[in-house]
Amino acid sequence: GAVVSQHPSRVICKSGTSVKIECRSLDFQATTMFWYRQFPKKSLMLMATSNEGSKATYEQGVEKDKFLINHASLTLSTLTVTSAHPEDSSFYICSASGRLNEQFFGPGTRLTVL
Amino acid sequence: AQSVTQPDIHITVSEGASLELRCNYSYGATPYLFWYVQSPGQGLQLLLKYFSGDTLVQGIKGFEAEFKRSQSSFNLRKPSVHWSDAAEYFCAVGVGTGRRALTFGSGTRLQVQP
Repeated sequence: GAVVSQHPSRVICKSGTSVKIECRSLDFQATTMFWYRQFPKKSLMLMATSNEGSKATYEQGVEKDKFLINHASLTLSTLTVTSAHPEDSSFYICSASGRLNEQFFGPGTRLTVL
Repeated sequence: AQSVTQPDIHITVSEGASLELRCNYSYGATPYLFWYVQSPGQGLQLLLKYFSGDTLVQGIKGFEAEFKRSQSSFNLRKPSVHWSDAAEYFCAVGVGTGRRALTFGSGTRLQVQP
């Protein structure tokens, strides 16, 4: 199947700083990318859906000013956690979908905010 | 609103034994249903999916699942479990345009005893 990468795989930051997470589709063009958040021992929760060149659509309860999503190209989407706080610590996972509607997941990024 | 329930948080089976992981969904339309496996440090891998047609779906690694509309269920089965099957398993329903935005169940952790 297609490959989706995320960078970084782990990040530790101080409270109040911003962190950017990249999601790349390596061998296909991703018209749509999804961002999920996974709490420890919990399920994945969809945060937002982004289409290339458009503003992201956020799920209810997700602060769009807190979690900035940019999908500037068909192979790259970024999630920026602004002014991160300890409660933002989580595992963030992206997925990418191309023209065939198949969806491929990245390996995830573990964010720890001190 | 759609929801997915995986009633078993943790299951332990002996290697070589059969396995069934339960999944029930709630969705107003014909569901797109998925089973994913998540291993530590790895991204979600699609095991199988159901969109329409034959209600018994074959997947990778010897897994199969049966869609039962009357029971709103999509249980995952494997006739003989291998130690390498130990992982977290997620059932999901696809919603939204193209049914690609996924609502996940809470997951079932499978432990395999030698």
